[in-house]
Amino acid sequence: QITLKESGPTLVKPTQTLTLTCIFSGFSLSSSGVGVGWIRQPPGKALEWLATIYWDGDNRYRASLKNRLTITKDTSKNQVVLTMTNMDPVDTATYYCAYRPPPMGEMRGVWFDPWGLGTLVSVSS
Amino acid sequence: QPVLTQPPSASASLGASVTLTCTLSSGYSNYKVDWYQQRPGRGPRFVMRVGAGGIVGSKGDGIPDRFSVLGSGLNRYLTIKNIQEEDESDYHCGADHGSGSNFVLVFGGGTKLTVL
Repeated sequence: QITLKESGPTLVKPTQTLTLTCIFSGFSLSSSGVGVGWIRQPPGKALEWLATIYWDGDNRYRASLKNRLTITKDTSKNQVVLTMTNMDPVDTATYYCAYRPPPMGEMRGVWFDPWGLGTLVSVSS
Repeated sequence: QPVLTQPPSASASLGASVTLTCTLSSGYSNYKVDWYQQRPGRGPRFVMRVGAGGIVGSKGDGIPDRFSVLGSGLNRYLTIKNIQEEDESDYHCGADHGSGSNFVLVFGGGTKLTVL
């Protein structure tokens, strides 16, 4: 069974850097084709994909946030870390990490299954 | 990149059927869309992928047979038959686009399904 759990601060101040950790079990991030992504959801708004890191270290970032985001992995610890610099109140959201399965058969591209429960991060002075 | 449009709300009576719609922006009629279910207070859960020809791959773990999909033109549909209380959720559609530094995963605004 694959599980993921997000952890990090619940409150950060504007201009600070947010560091979120995703601890997962049930798979290895060194297995070919797998990935872990971060997605956020501001209160009452749509899901917004942020970044994905793959088994081979390759990563993808949301273009509009690329200068603020860094995603890293520690395969030995089964962890993925997302940092976001220069936090602003508009970054207030629930942040989810999720598993991207390896491509199989017709299933190609990027989808996430399963997701963690998410962690709410508020940005306020 | 595609824009995905979903009605903000839908409702159906217990035991009835409902069809949720995700509409791709013009020019993206060949795109596949993933449906996700999000129960209150929970993370999203993968339901299934749908293309113009119907389901792609398999349903997510534990998704009942009551859930099915269809694709037509720019629309990607999720139909739920014999609606149960547990189906009351937000339903999101998502699609990936591009590659390399131009890659993006986009989501629709979500549809809140109320079971009456």
